[in-house]
Amino acid sequence: TQLLEQSPQFLSIQEGENLTVYCNSSSVFSSLQWYRQEPGEGPVLLVTVVTGGEVKKLKRLTFQFGDARKDSSLHITAAQPGDTGLYLCAGVVYSGGGADGLTFGKGTHLIIQP
Amino acid sequence: DAGVIQSPRHEVTEMGQEVTLRCKPISGHDYLFWYRQTMMRGLELLIYFNNNVPIDDSGMPEDRFSAKMPNASFSTLKIQPSEPRDSAVYFCASSVTVNQPQHFGDGTRLSIL
Repeated sequence: TQLLEQSPQFLSIQEGENLTVYCNSSSVFSSLQWYRQEPGEGPVLLVTVVTGGEVKKLKRLTFQFGDARKDSSLHITAAQPGDTGLYLCAGVVYSGGGADGLTFGKGTHLIIQP
Repeated sequence: DAGVIQSPRHEVTEMGQEVTLRCKPISGHDYLFWYRQTMMRGLELLIYFNNNVPIDDSGMPEDRFSAKMPNASFSTLKIQPSEPRDSAVYFCASSVTVNQPQHFGDGTRLSIL
C-alpha cells in the first residue's frame, strides 16, 4: 500500500506570510494531484504534476514535483484568508495490472488569519 | 454542467437503523468512487466502480457496508445496521479514467447516535 505523508498537519499563519506544505512518500508516482477542500464541500482539483522536477504556478500558488517523483511541495506566497482550507495531495501508481487509482494523503489544515 | 450530486447532505439516525446514501456521477464519467472522511483517518477509499462494475472493494470496512451501481447515473452506499463509529462525511466522486482528476460531490454528513 502506498502511503502519502503530508506535513505539517496543521498550520495557522497571518495574512501576507509565505508558507510551504509537503507531500512525501517512499513510492514513485506516475503523477500527483493537489486538491483544496473548504468546509462543507468536497475536494476540488488545483493542479496535476506529471514530470519529475516539474513546477506549475497557479497565481500565488507554486507546485513542485520532486525529481524522483516521490514527493511534492506547495508554496503559497502572500497568503490570504481565502487560501484557508484543507490541502490534499493524491498520487497515482501504476502496477503490473494498470493504474491503481489515487491514494490520498491526510492533508494539511491551513488557516490564514486576517 | 452539473457536478456530482449526493443526497442527503445530512443524515442523523439512531444506531441499528439502515442508512442509504445516494450519488449521481457526472455524465460520461466511467469511474465512480465512494470515500469516507474523518479527522483521524482522513479520506479513505471504500470502493470504486468502472462502467457500473465494482473493481476494488477492499476499503469497505465490514459486511455492514454495501454499494451498488445499477446504472451509469446512479449509485448507492448502504450501511445496515449502522453504528456510532460509522459517523463521518461520505463523499462520492467520479472521473473519466481511474487516474484522471476526480470530481467530488459535496458529501453526506452522517451522524449515528
